[in-house]
Amino acid sequence: DTAVSQTPKYLVTQMGNDKSIKCEQNLGHDTMYWYKQDSKKFLKIMFSYNNKELIINETVPNRFSPKSPDKAHLNLHINSLELGDSAVYFCASSQGPGQGTSPLHFGNGTRLTVT
Amino acid sequence: AQKITQTQPGMFVQEKEAVTLDCTYDTSDPSYGLFWYKQPSSGEMIFLIYQGSYDQQNATEGRYSLNFQKARKSANLVISASQLGDSAMYFCAMSRINTGNQFYFGTGTSLTVIP
Repeated sequence: DTAVSQTPKYLVTQMGNDKSIKCEQNLGHDTMYWYKQDSKKFLKIMFSYNNKELIINETVPNRFSPKSPDKAHLNLHINSLELGDSAVYFCASSQGPGQGTSPLHFGNGTRLTVT
Repeated sequence: AQKITQTQPGMFVQEKEAVTLDCTYDTSDPSYGLFWYKQPSSGEMIFLIYQGSYDQQNATEGRYSLNFQKARKSANLVISASQLGDSAMYFCAMSRINTGNQFYFGTGTSLTVIP
């Protein structure tokens, strides 16, 4: 009965490779997010989708491309991986805008290591 | 611009004592939400407590309470009767209700409970 699940948990890859992280939520939420947590634990928003529509796109290299096939899924594809992409990537979901404020529900994170 | 400030990078507390983790925020929006999250060493992000900008009373959840001082724009987390399992990173976050449920995070406070 996992609420927000993301796979894989760990991802070790070499520079220049392309990789994807998958995320699914079964909470019925309308909004999904990708956050990046760096080595200093700072959490930075990358993308947000509401009902499959991109609503937040922070300054992220265009090597990162989110895809939302439906409102329960938000995947993250990363092309041409670089050393600086090493971080923990969190998927999260919340109720949509205009429905009051609900907390973010996070997945367990994907630790990406680029060598 | 929205901003969350946590000025205590690290805190220590004796087991069974209470501890206050500071958080100040900056927004011109009248409607916003304030949240606290716990991130233990295992890495997951755990939602602890929520306070809405229009809530008259301070939020409480078990041993957690949120000391909300709207005029001072502060939302401090109080943990009573600290336990060893409370040792973790704690993040304060703010959401803007009317603009896509965008969440902003502070830099976190590392809490260590001493037996």
